[in-house]
Amino acid sequence: NAGVTQTPKFQVLKTGQSMTLQCAQDMNHNSMYWYRQDPGMGLRLIYYSASEGTTDKGEVPNGYNVSRLNKREFSLRLESAAPSQTSVYFCATDGYGQVVSSTDTQYFGPGTRLTVL
Amino acid sequence: KNEVEQSPQNLTAQEGEFITINCSYSVGISALHWLQQHPGGGIVSLFMLSSGKKKHGRLIATINIQEKHSSLHITASHPRDSAVYICAASLSSGSARQLTFGSGTQLTVLP
Repeated sequence: NAGVTQTPKFQVLKTGQSMTLQCAQDMNHNSMYWYRQDPGMGLRLIYYSASEGTTDKGEVPNGYNVSRLNKREFSLRLESAAPSQTSVYFCATDGYGQVVSSTDTQYFGPGTRLTVL
Repeated sequence: KNEVEQSPQNLTAQEGEFITINCSYSVGISALHWLQQHPGGGIVSLFMLSSGKKKHGRLIATINIQEKHSSLHITASHPRDSAVYICAASLSSGSARQLTFGSGTQLTVLP
């Protein structure tokens, strides 16, 4: 039972390159979230998915796309990376609205540290 | 948009001291979350509360809905409590739990 996993852990990109951050959960949760964390600004919601097949924008969606591939997997794509996207990215999941044992909190992945040069 | 403010931003304490971290928010919420971010970067959820008080070991979280204020207390602090503590306000939108986060309180407990 791994909880929430993210790959890669670290990545360095050049401006204009593209990449996809992967997230997977084995908690049978419907809801998944992507956040970015920047110094002094706290975590901010990029996109979220309330169920398989649905995605919605959060606070800072510009420059990102997401795919909810199935119930377990939620990926975040940077089509043309910019230095402003240098950040630590966290995926999270919760059982909001479900009758599961772990509904009370969000569970976070270990994070991906991305640097865009 | 909900604004979430934490204080203090930084806190240094001696081992054994009683610690309080405060959180205020600007609009009505469905719940208030407290999270801990370890020095290695991992984030774990400590509490979710919508009223009253919750306790887990040496950690106590309280919320005053009328005053839009929550506190996290740590009793008998220990160096292993050193971490960033983050509060987040939850607005349950109907389809998902959207969190607005404070910028965190860096706690250092000295031996």
